[in-house]
Amino acid sequence: QKEVEQNSGPLSVPEGAIASLNCTYSDRGSQSFFWYRQYSGKSPELIMFIYSNGDKEDGRFTAQLNKASQYVSLLIRDSQPSDSATYLCAVNGGSNYKLTFGKGTLLTVNP
Amino acid sequence: EAGVAQSPRYKIIEKRQSVAFWCNPISGHATLYWYQQILGQGPKLLIQFQNNGVVDDSQLPKDRFSAERLKGVDSTLKIQPAKLEDSAVYLCASSPTARGGGEKLFFGSGTQLSVL
Repeated sequence: QKEVEQNSGPLSVPEGAIASLNCTYSDRGSQSFFWYRQYSGKSPELIMFIYSNGDKEDGRFTAQLNKASQYVSLLIRDSQPSDSATYLCAVNGGSNYKLTFGKGTLLTVNP
Repeated sequence: EAGVAQSPRYKIIEKRQSVAFWCNPISGHATLYWYQQILGQGPKLLIQFQNNGVVDDSQLPKDRFSAERLKGVDSTLKIQPAKLEDSAVYLCASSPTARGGGEKLFFGSGTQLSVL
């Protein structure tokens, strides 16, 4: 059973701080990794994806991948109240191409 | 560009009744997914279509759930008979790659099902 684990939170950070969201996965053959943001009552939307070890930056967001440790993270710099949402880690690959989601981490950014 | 369309937005039924959900993916997207998201959980894949063929339905409760994708475009998901534990949001998503599963998913607004 392929699993994706996330700390459910809630994670609370002050406005302007760095929010760090973490995810581990069980399938060592996983190929690609995604972060989706889901506002309350809304559908998930893709914000970052990463395929290779290391860091990938996009604006205030940085995704980090360490395949040896089976660990992927998302850093949000200069956090804003509008970043308050649940962040879902999703992993794909291995023996099939099914996308498996974690339970999500609820982030609250306090003004 | 139009997004993924789903209907209805909300549905309330009693247990043992049947219900159907409809999805129209983004034009040209080869892969279509149905996910079930129970409150407080991440989305769980029920079924994945590539064009009009099933790629993965390993987590679909086949004794009560069925799905089809007509002519590789629209899709319907049916539950018959519904159980209390089927209360969830049913999300349809599509992706532009024929390979599926590894690329960007675009989600519809979902159908919130309440089974009483």
